[in-house]
Amino acid sequence: GAGVSQTPSNKVTEKGKYVELRCDPISGHTALYWYRQSLGQGPEFLIYFQGTGAADDSGLPNDRFFAVRPEGSVSTLKIQRTERGDSAVYLCASSLNPLGETQYFGPGTRLLVL
Amino acid sequence: EDQVTQSPEALRLQEGESSSLNCSYTVSGLRGLFWYRQDPGKGPEFLFTLYSAGEEKEKERLKATLTKKESFLHITAPKPEDSATYLCAVQGAQKLVFGQGTRLTINP
Repeated sequence: GAGVSQTPSNKVTEKGKYVELRCDPISGHTALYWYRQSLGQGPEFLIYFQGTGAADDSGLPNDRFFAVRPEGSVSTLKIQRTERGDSAVYLCASSLNPLGETQYFGPGTRLLVL
Repeated sequence: EDQVTQSPEALRLQEGESSSLNCSYTVSGLRGLFWYRQDPGKGPEFLFTLYSAGEEKEKERLKATLTKKESFLHITAPKPEDSATYLCAVQGAQKLVFGQGTRLTINP
């Protein structure tokens, strides 16, 4: 079956602009996760959804970052007033259930803020 | 706070030269330790999950082992296509915490 998909694969924007990144999880996976990965580093947790609700958003760096998953499937990560420091690869993962279940990752969205 | 440290940061081997990658961790209540492979420009690809000390898993030239403080990824007779960054992650009570990865290069 299809894996986790993310769109766009690349996004270039200007400082101060608003961006939306989309994640389509594996069908049937109830848990969905967003991570951010900087060059040479491991992925860093941002937020996790169980169904439609954000179960843990402790990794969101500030209130410019927001994510939704209105129907418990597709999720959108929204970044307002982008800053150059937001440039990174944003990864999405999904798992059948949370806590101990294997997370399967998408290819990521490479965000560059000029 | 859960922490993961991987060593070495980078490793260069000749084809056929076996070695091991280390993942040291501290976690409150381990729910799972995960190994992923990541190729440049791609997302992490799942390799193994280990749940308890003493557990071992194998896949082709790779073997993962787990103790209470660390995990090893052993690579036997590697080939150039095994070149990648290998990521270790632990899940405790909450989120998955990753190490910074080991960048492995296998020269033909």
